[in-house]
Amino acid sequence: QKEVEQDPGPLSVPEGAIVSLNCTYSNSAFQYFMWYRQYSRKGPELLMYTYSSGNKEDGRFTAQVDKSSKYISLFIRDSQPSDSATYLCAMRNTNAGKSTFGDGTTLTVKP
Amino acid sequence: EPEVTQTPSHQVTQMGQEVILRCVPISNHLYFYWYRQILGQKVEFLVSFYNNEISEKSEIFDDQFSVERPDGSNFTLKIRSTKLEDSAMYFCASSEEYGGYTFGSGTRLTVV
Repeated sequence: QKEVEQDPGPLSVPEGAIVSLNCTYSNSAFQYFMWYRQYSRKGPELLMYTYSSGNKEDGRFTAQVDKSSKYISLFIRDSQPSDSATYLCAMRNTNAGKSTFGDGTTLTVKP
Repeated sequence: EPEVTQTPSHQVTQMGQEVILRCVPISNHLYFYWYRQILGQKVEFLVSFYNNEISEKSEIFDDQFSVERPDGSNFTLKIRSTKLEDSAMYFCASSEEYGGYTFGSGTRLTVV
């Protein structure tokens, strides 16, 4: 079993749709959860960073963490064509150190 | 906005040659990392570096790999004798004690 499993996609939605991206994990020691966006042949860009369970909102993005279910989600409201990218979940068990990444979900938002 | 700078953006090398990938992390960050991503695959951890020493490394980071912070700004990854399977995007990242990473744009290494 992979330590981090991410919904594989690809995902294609119309502009304005709400997008849900999800990851599950098996390591109960993970406490820090991140979402990154990666455009083709570029480095990942940090979108959201959360600690432990709960919700965090930043503009059109909401990150949810449910540690009891070992499940995290990223919601994108009012999706835009510029949101088209690969989204990576990542998590780690210490405040700084190795992060374990999911395989990524490729999202296409069609105008 | 502060950024992590990586050079070169693309490096082609012959199998068996040594390569050095260079990174300039964000100046007030204390934690530095190298990750790699083989085309179409996931981002994989190689090594983390703190307080001038390796704090953690993966099984990928064998004796062929080394890291160095030769001065106050640069952070380098050396591959001593490259193999075909080392072909990948190599990303440098840095972070504060808390928070996510800031990644560089990567170096695409092609071993021929």
